[in-house]
Amino acid sequence: QLQLQESGPGLVKPSETLSLTCTVSGGSITSSSYYWGWIRQPPGKGLEWIGSISYSGRTYYNPSLKSRTTMSVDTSKNQFSLKLSSVTAEDTAVYYCARHVVFWFYFDYWGQGTLVPVSS
Amino acid sequence: QTVVTQEPSFSVPPGGTVTLTCGLSSGSVSTGHYPTWYQQTPGRAPRTLIYGTNIRSSGVPARFSGSILGNKAALTITGAQADDESNYHCVLYMRSGISIFGGGTRLTVL
Repeated sequence: QLQLQESGPGLVKPSETLSLTCTVSGGSITSSSYYWGWIRQPPGKGLEWIGSISYSGRTYYNPSLKSRTTMSVDTSKNQFSLKLSSVTAEDTAVYYCARHVVFWFYFDYWGQGTLVPVSS
Repeated sequence: QTVVTQEPSFSVPPGGTVTLTCGLSSGSVSTGHYPTWYQQTPGRAPRTLIYGTNIRSSGVPARFSGSILGNKAALTITGAQADDESNYHCVLYMRSGISIFGGGTRLTVL
């Protein structure tokens, strides 16, 4: 059974960079059938796709976050990562990592999510 | 900027049928947008119900179905149960490679 687990600091200060890592277990990250994505959800609000990355490093980003977003993949550790720079309180959200099925363009496996508050 | 629209809230009596919709601020939703529907309860990660417009994910009861109705994607629940009280999110794929979520619909069963 595929499992994804987000990890990262529990609190980020305004103007700093939010960094999260997703560790994939129970399957390999190196498949051309999947991308690996990040989605976030501010408290009490809807979901927002941040971006997706292939195991070879090809990326697609949400245009509204693109200037602040960097995603990377480490196949040796079966991990992929997110960096979001210059954060503000509006970036406070639960951040989910998920597997993105290429052929059908949907997320089939999700991590449990991690709340990242942005506060001084 | 493209916006995906959903009803903010909906109510259905137990055993009733409800159709939630997912539209675009400009243009029509088609199968080429690969509409996907997720169910989410508070504090939990979303669960895939429907992908590729009308394909039920593994383990999803047959009372959930997806379709295109007019110019929108639709999720129909036939014979709603108390357990179906949740938030429902749709997401559309754009040819530019981006995915856009709707704002979600809070469904009440009462």
